Amino acid sequence: QSVLTQPPSASGTPGQRVTISCSGSNSNIGSNTVNWYQLVPGRAPKLLIYINNQRPSGVPDRFSGSQSGASASLAISGLQSEDEADYFCAAWDDSLDGLLFGGGTKLTVL
Amino acid sequence: EVQLVESGGGLEQPGGSLRLSCVASGFTFSRYEMNWVRQAPGRGLEWVSYISSRGSNISYADSVKGRFTISRDNAKNSLFLQMNSLRAEDTAVYYCARDRAFDALDIWGQGTMVTVSP
Repeated sequence: QSVLTQPPSASGTPGQRVTISCSGSNSNIGSNTVNWYQLVPGRAPKLLIYINNQRPSGVPDRFSGSQSGASASLAISGLQSEDEADYFCAAWDDSLDGLLFGGGTKLTVL
Repeated sequence: EVQLVESGGGLEQPGGSLRLSCVASGFTFSRYEMNWVRQAPGRGLEWVSYISSRGSNISYADSVKGRFTISRDNAKNSLFLQMNSLRAEDTAVYYCARDRAFDALDIWGQGTMVTVSP
Protein backbone atom coordinates (compact mmCIF):
# COMPACT_ATOMS: atom_id res chain seq x y z
CA GLN A 1 0.00 0.00 0.00
CA SER A 2 1.42 3.34 -1.12
CA VAL A 3 2.06 5.94 1.60
CA LEU A 4 1.37 8.70 -0.90
CA THR A 5 -2.41 8.82 -1.07
CA GLN A 6 -4.23 9.93 -4.19
CA PRO A 7 -7.91 9.69 -5.07
CA PRO A 8 -8.39 6.71 -7.40
CA SER A 9 -10.40 8.72 -9.89
CA ALA A 10 -11.25 12.22 -11.03
CA SER A 11 -13.34 13.60 -13.85
CA GLY A 12 -14.31 16.77 -15.60
CA THR A 13 -15.79 18.14 -18.78
CA PRO A 14 -13.79 19.90 -21.48
CA GLY A 15 -12.73 23.35 -20.39
CA GLN A 16 -13.15 22.65 -16.68
CA ARG A 17 -10.46 22.79 -14.03
CA VAL A 18 -9.69 19.66 -12.03
CA THR A 19 -7.40 19.13 -9.08
CA ILE A 20 -5.72 15.91 -7.98
CA SER A 21 -4.42 15.67 -4.42
CA CYS A 22 -1.46 13.73 -3.03
CA SER A 23 -1.18 13.28 0.71
CA GLY A 24 2.02 12.11 2.34
CA SER A 25 3.96 12.58 5.54
CA ASN A 26 6.89 14.49 7.02
CA SER A 27 9.35 11.88 5.77
CA ASN A 28 8.40 12.34 2.11
CA ILE A 29 6.41 15.34 0.86
CA GLY A 30 7.09 17.22 4.09
CA SER A 31 10.84 16.95 3.51
CA ASN A 32 11.37 16.54 -0.22
CA THR A 33 10.07 17.89 -3.51
CA VAL A 34 7.14 16.39 -5.37
CA ASN A 35 7.05 15.37 -9.00
CA TRP A 36 4.03 14.46 -11.10
CA TYR A 37 3.82 12.00 -14.01
CA GLN A 38 1.25 11.36 -16.69
CA LEU A 39 0.68 7.82 -17.95
CA VAL A 40 -1.14 7.08 -21.16
CA PRO A 41 -1.64 3.38 -22.00
CA GLY A 42 0.97 2.15 -24.41
CA ARG A 43 3.31 5.07 -23.80
CA ALA A 44 6.23 5.68 -21.47
CA PRO A 45 5.49 7.80 -18.39
CA LYS A 46 5.90 11.55 -18.90
CA LEU A 47 7.25 14.01 -16.35
CA LEU A 48 4.61 16.69 -15.96
CA ILE A 49 5.70 18.73 -12.92
CA TYR A 50 9.00 18.70 -11.04
CA ILE A 51 10.22 20.35 -7.84
CA ASN A 52 6.60 20.87 -6.73
CA ASN A 53 5.59 23.42 -9.36
CA GLN A 54 8.02 23.50 -12.28
CA ARG A 55 7.01 22.49 -15.78
CA PRO A 56 9.46 20.80 -18.15
CA SER A 57 9.68 22.39 -21.57
CA GLY A 58 6.80 21.31 -23.75
CA VAL A 59 4.30 20.84 -20.93
CA PRO A 60 1.40 23.27 -21.37
CA ASP A 61 0.87 25.91 -18.69
CA ARG A 62 -2.59 24.42 -18.17
CA PHE A 63 -0.77 22.05 -15.80
CA SER A 64 0.34 23.42 -12.44
CA GLY A 65 1.55 21.97 -9.18
CA SER A 66 1.65 23.09 -5.58
CA GLN A 67 2.89 21.77 -2.27
CA SER A 68 2.09 22.67 1.31
CA GLY A 69 3.32 20.79 4.33
CA ALA A 70 2.92 17.08 3.69
CA SER A 71 0.47 17.45 0.82
CA ALA A 72 0.68 18.36 -2.83
CA SER A 73 -1.74 18.87 -5.67
CA LEU A 74 -1.84 18.90 -9.44
CA ALA A 75 -4.25 21.23 -11.20
CA ILE A 76 -5.30 20.97 -14.81
CA SER A 77 -7.18 23.90 -16.24
CA GLY A 78 -8.94 24.10 -19.58
CA LEU A 79 -9.40 20.34 -19.56
CA GLN A 80 -8.97 18.63 -22.92
CA SER A 81 -9.85 15.14 -24.10
CA GLU A 82 -6.15 14.37 -24.55
CA ASP A 83 -5.66 14.89 -20.81
CA GLU A 84 -7.47 11.63 -20.12
CA ALA A 85 -4.76 9.55 -18.49
CA ASP A 86 -3.44 8.25 -15.17
CA TYR A 87 -1.58 10.74 -12.98
CA PHE A 88 0.96 9.83 -10.31
CA CYS A 89 2.68 11.92 -7.68
CA ALA A 90 6.12 10.92 -6.40
CA ALA A 91 8.53 11.99 -3.70
CA TRP A 92 11.64 10.61 -2.04
CA ASP A 93 11.03 9.14 1.39
CA ASP A 94 13.84 9.67 3.90
CA SER A 95 12.65 6.89 6.22
CA LEU A 96 12.44 4.28 3.47
CA ASP A 97 15.46 5.69 1.61
CA GLY A 98 13.54 5.23 -1.59
CA LEU A 99 11.31 6.89 -4.13
CA LEU A 100 7.59 6.63 -3.47
CA PHE A 101 4.84 6.85 -6.04
CA GLY A 102 1.25 7.58 -5.22
CA GLY A 103 -1.36 5.01 -6.10
CA GLY A 104 -2.38 7.01 -9.15
CA THR A 105 -5.50 8.90 -10.20
CA LYS A 106 -7.40 7.98 -13.33
CA LEU A 107 -8.67 11.17 -14.96
CA THR A 108 -11.71 10.86 -17.20
CA VAL A 109 -12.75 13.66 -19.51
CA LEU A 110 -16.52 13.39 -19.82
CA GLU B 1 17.76 12.56 -29.83
CA VAL B 2 17.78 11.84 -26.12
CA GLN B 3 16.80 8.21 -25.74
CA LEU B 4 16.79 5.21 -23.43
CA VAL B 5 16.29 1.72 -24.83
CA GLU B 6 15.68 -1.24 -22.53
CA SER B 7 16.14 -4.90 -23.39
CA GLY B 8 16.42 -8.26 -21.69
CA GLY B 9 12.85 -8.88 -20.62
CA GLY B 10 11.03 -12.11 -21.25
CA LEU B 11 9.37 -15.12 -19.67
CA GLU B 12 11.15 -16.73 -16.73
CA GLN B 13 10.17 -19.33 -14.17
CA PRO B 14 9.86 -18.50 -10.47
CA GLY B 15 13.29 -18.65 -8.88
CA GLY B 16 14.99 -17.84 -12.15
CA SER B 17 17.11 -14.89 -13.21
CA LEU B 18 17.04 -12.18 -15.84
CA ARG B 19 19.37 -9.28 -16.64
CA LEU B 20 17.86 -6.10 -17.97
CA SER B 21 19.89 -3.58 -19.92
CA CYS B 22 19.25 0.06 -20.76
CA VAL B 23 21.34 1.89 -23.34
CA ALA B 24 21.40 5.68 -23.31
CA SER B 25 22.02 7.99 -26.24
CA GLY B 26 21.82 11.69 -26.97
CA PHE B 27 23.13 12.87 -23.60
CA THR B 28 26.14 12.49 -21.33
CA PHE B 29 25.07 9.36 -19.47
CA SER B 30 27.85 9.56 -16.89
CA ARG B 31 26.51 12.84 -15.49
CA TYR B 32 23.11 11.49 -14.53
CA GLU B 33 21.66 9.42 -11.74
CA MET B 34 19.46 6.61 -13.00
CA ASN B 35 16.53 4.56 -11.77
CA TRP B 36 14.53 1.46 -12.58
CA VAL B 37 10.75 1.74 -12.19
CA ARG B 38 8.18 -0.97 -12.89
CA GLN B 39 4.48 -1.20 -13.59
CA ALA B 40 2.70 -4.45 -12.93
CA PRO B 41 -0.35 -5.27 -15.11
CA GLY B 42 -3.27 -3.13 -14.02
CA ARG B 43 -1.23 -1.49 -11.28
CA GLY B 44 0.54 1.79 -10.70
CA LEU B 45 4.18 2.76 -10.85
CA GLU B 46 6.62 1.22 -8.38
CA TRP B 47 10.16 2.44 -7.94
CA VAL B 48 12.67 -0.42 -7.96
CA SER B 49 16.20 0.93 -7.65
CA TYR B 50 18.45 3.99 -7.89
CA ILE B 51 22.12 4.44 -8.76
CA SER B 52 24.21 7.60 -8.58
CA SER B 53 26.10 8.94 -11.57
CA ARG B 54 29.34 7.15 -10.66
CA GLY B 55 27.67 4.13 -9.12
CA SER B 56 28.85 4.86 -5.60
CA ASN B 57 25.37 5.26 -4.10
CA ILE B 58 22.66 2.67 -4.60
CA SER B 59 19.18 2.15 -3.14
CA TYR B 60 16.54 -0.54 -3.54
CA ALA B 61 12.87 -0.93 -2.78
CA ASP B 62 12.27 -3.33 0.09
CA SER B 63 10.37 -5.62 -2.29
CA VAL B 64 13.53 -6.37 -4.31
CA LYS B 65 16.31 -5.84 -1.77
CA GLY B 66 18.65 -8.81 -1.66
CA ARG B 67 17.38 -10.19 -4.98
CA PHE B 68 18.03 -7.42 -7.52
CA THR B 69 21.31 -5.63 -8.25
CA ILE B 70 21.61 -2.36 -10.14
CA SER B 71 24.81 -1.40 -11.90
CA ARG B 72 26.07 0.81 -14.70
CA ASP B 73 28.91 1.03 -17.22
CA ASN B 74 29.45 4.69 -18.04
CA ALA B 75 31.96 3.83 -20.75
CA LYS B 76 29.20 1.96 -22.58
CA ASN B 77 26.35 4.34 -21.66
CA SER B 78 24.56 1.42 -20.10
CA LEU B 79 22.45 0.68 -17.04
CA PHE B 80 21.71 -2.82 -15.81
CA LEU B 81 19.37 -4.64 -13.46
CA GLN B 82 20.29 -8.17 -12.44
CA MET B 83 17.16 -9.88 -11.21
CA ASN B 84 17.56 -13.10 -9.22
CA SER B 85 15.12 -15.31 -7.31
CA LEU B 86 12.29 -14.00 -9.43
CA ARG B 87 8.76 -14.17 -8.10
CA ALA B 88 5.36 -13.97 -9.77
CA GLU B 89 4.90 -10.52 -8.24
CA ASP B 90 7.92 -9.27 -10.18
CA THR B 91 5.87 -9.54 -13.37
CA ALA B 92 5.78 -6.02 -14.79
CA VAL B 93 6.98 -3.66 -17.46
CA TYR B 94 10.38 -2.40 -16.36
CA TYR B 95 11.44 1.12 -17.29
CA CYS B 96 14.80 2.76 -16.94
CA ALA B 97 14.55 6.47 -16.26
CA ARG B 98 16.96 9.40 -16.09
CA ASP B 99 16.97 11.58 -12.99
CA ARG B 100 17.32 15.23 -13.99
CA ALA B 101 17.73 16.23 -10.30
CA PHE B 102 15.56 16.19 -7.21
CA ASP B 103 14.32 12.72 -8.18
CA ALA B 104 12.52 14.08 -11.24
CA LEU B 105 12.58 11.31 -13.84
CA ASP B 106 12.53 13.23 -17.10
CA ILE B 107 13.51 10.65 -19.70
CA TRP B 108 12.02 7.14 -19.78
CA GLY B 109 12.62 4.17 -22.02
CA GLN B 110 9.81 2.34 -23.76
CA GLY B 111 9.95 -0.44 -21.19
CA THR B 112 10.69 -4.15 -21.30
CA MET B 113 8.19 -6.76 -20.15
CA VAL B 114 9.18 -9.31 -17.54
CA THR B 115 6.83 -12.22 -16.94
CA VAL B 116 7.48 -14.67 -14.12
CA SER B 117 5.36 -17.77 -14.50
CA PRO B 118 5.80 -21.56 -14.30
